[in-house]
This record gives sequence, structure tokens and C-alpha cells, in this order.
Amino acid sequence: GNSVTQMEGPVTLSEEAFLTINCTYTATGYPSLFWYVQYPGEGLQLLLKATKADDKGSNKGFEATYRKETTSFHLEKGSVQVSDSAVYFCALSRAGGTSYGKLTFGQGTILTVHP
Amino acid sequence: EAGVTQFPSHSVIEKGQTVTLRCDPISGHDNLYWYRRVMGKEIKFLLHFVKESKQDESGMPNNRFLAERTGGTYSTLKVQPAELEDSGVYFCASSHRGGANTGELFFGEGSRLTVL
Repeated sequence: GNSVTQMEGPVTLSEEAFLTINCTYTATGYPSLFWYVQYPGEGLQLLLKATKADDKGSNKGFEATYRKETTSFHLEKGSVQVSDSAVYFCALSRAGGTSYGKLTFGQGTILTVHP
Repeated sequence: EAGVTQFPSHSVIEKGQTVTLRCDPISGHDNLYWYRRVMGKEIKFLLHFVKESKQDESGMPNNRFLAERTGGTYSTLKVQPAELEDSGVYFCASSHRGGANTGELFFGEGSRLTVL
């Protein structure tokens, strides 16, 4: 079956530091890959996505590249801010057929950014 | 536009009692999903409605869980009788048909269930 593995947290950084959160996946075929973020007191929201190999998703200064050869989708940001403190979830979806919106999530990584 | 809303935000019940969670999706979203996160583990899929029909309920853990979506609007998830292992956060998400094809879901804040 499908699975997603994220780096263990929590991650604590100082403002303006570089961020990497590793994510690897196991899936048959060609899944779509996502990063969702949950800010304190809010629901999960889509941060970025990539639907095919070598695609790069980007949003709010975050980037992730779909690497089929390493089955990875690592999240990066060059300079984090205090407002980026949140829980980050890597996820995949088998688009099409009856699998619409059926996401497989990683365990989540808590990020705390200090001033 | 109102987002996905869930009620209650937190429920504390005793083992053997019944709890009903409610989800109001974004207006016009045909697809509605329930997910659950137990004890800091992964968020796991429970089931998927397309309008009022259950499209996929492969993630429902057992027959103590009953989900309904009468009229294709809001949905309820009933746990009866609740067990200790049902404690966790229950998330609802919705999407329109186009969004469903790309996996872009809109999530509520979740309903935290604590079974004592």
C-alpha cells in the first residue's frame, strides 16, 4: 500500500534560518504529492503540490520538488519566519478513479521558529 | 466564503457513551471526507461522500462508526459505543469535483474526542 515517511520532529529554528523537512513515499504508479500546513487553531491548508516527476511546487517562499528516482518530496525554505511555526504534513494522492481526495499522510512535523 | 466548520471542537465522554460529530462543508462542495488522527500518529482516511452517497468507506475502523450525509449537505459521524482507542482528532474536509481530482482538500479545524 501507499505510505509517507516524514522526518521526526519537532524542529526548532531561529528566524532567517534555512529549513528542510524530509519526506519520502512509497506508492504504485504516479501519485500526486502535497504539503499541507496546520497553523495553531486552524484547519489544515494546502501549502503546495506537484503532480508529476520533476515538478516543483512553491508557495509563500516554500518549495518542494517531486523526485521520482529517490521517491522524495522534501520541503525547503531559505529563510523562515516566526509566522511559519506550524505543523507540516507531507501527503500523497492517487488521483483519478475512486481515489479522489483519498490522501495518505505522513506523521507531521512540528516546526517552531524563534525570533 | 465560509470554510469547513466542525462541531463540537472538543468532546469528552465516557467509554460506552455515544458521540455525534458534525461537519458543514464549504457550500457547493460535492465531495466530503472524514479523517482521523489518533494519539499523534498519521492522519488517516475514514470515508468519502460524493453528495449523499458513500463513495469509499474503506477506512472506517469498525461498525461502531456510522457516517451520514443526508441531502448531500452537512455530514455527521456517530461513534456508538465509544471506546478508549477512539480518542483523537476527527477532521472533515471538502472539495468540489475539480479540486478532488488534484487532491486539494479544504479542512476544518477538527473535533477532538476524548474517551475516558
